[in-house]
Amino acid sequence: DTGVSQDPRHKITKRGQNVTFRCDPISEHNRLYWYRQTLGQGPEFLTYFQNEAQLEKSRLLSDRFSAERPKGSFSTLEIQRTEQGDSAMYLCASSSGQVSSYEQYFGPGTRLTVT
Amino acid sequence: TQLLEQSPQFLSIQEGENLTVYCNSSSVFSSLQWYRQEPGEGPVLLVTVVTGGEVKKLKRLTFQFGDARKDSSLHITAAQPGDTGLYLCAGAFHIQGAQKLVFGQGTRLTINP
Repeated sequence: DTGVSQDPRHKITKRGQNVTFRCDPISEHNRLYWYRQTLGQGPEFLTYFQNEAQLEKSRLLSDRFSAERPKGSFSTLEIQRTEQGDSAMYLCASSSGQVSSYEQYFGPGTRLTVT
Repeated sequence: TQLLEQSPQFLSIQEGENLTVYCNSSSVFSSLQWYRQEPGEGPVLLVTVVTGGEVKKLKRLTFQFGDARKDSSLHITAAQPGDTGLYLCAGAFHIQGAQKLVFGQGTRLTINP
């Protein structure tokens, strides 16, 4: 059974560098979500894909952030010109395409530290 | 702004005691999900409640959705050290073809042997 996977699990980068994270959803899930979680807080919604289409973006997603899901399978989240405030856990989740399904399943996250 | 308030934020009790965690909002949700998160890991789904007044049980855990679908509670009976962790509630709002989750800040539960 393969759940949601994320790579890398940890990333340490210097301020100003670009970073890219990858998420592989559960194979039959066509909906994919990105969230960000800072220390002591619950996750916050960043963006959502249905297949390859990015249908919703949070105002938290500044122009330094870009997400893609080119073939409707895996997704990437890129942060350009990283800042110390970008340090957080970046979580990916997926859900099925069934209209009645409300359940999102999360990956283990990528912890980003910007020094 | 959509807000979910969880209380208490921290709870430390002895093994065998009962406890209740609350999740409150002024917003109406299409559903509400409870997750448990271990340090350095992603949240793991425990339960989803959909209907106002719905009660679901998962072994010693009882989840209830408020009648107006604005609040929820998690009750643990006879807590065990293995219940230690961060418990998160998340309210779901409809977006284009899916649901966006809004999370509470979490309740960090410690069960002492």
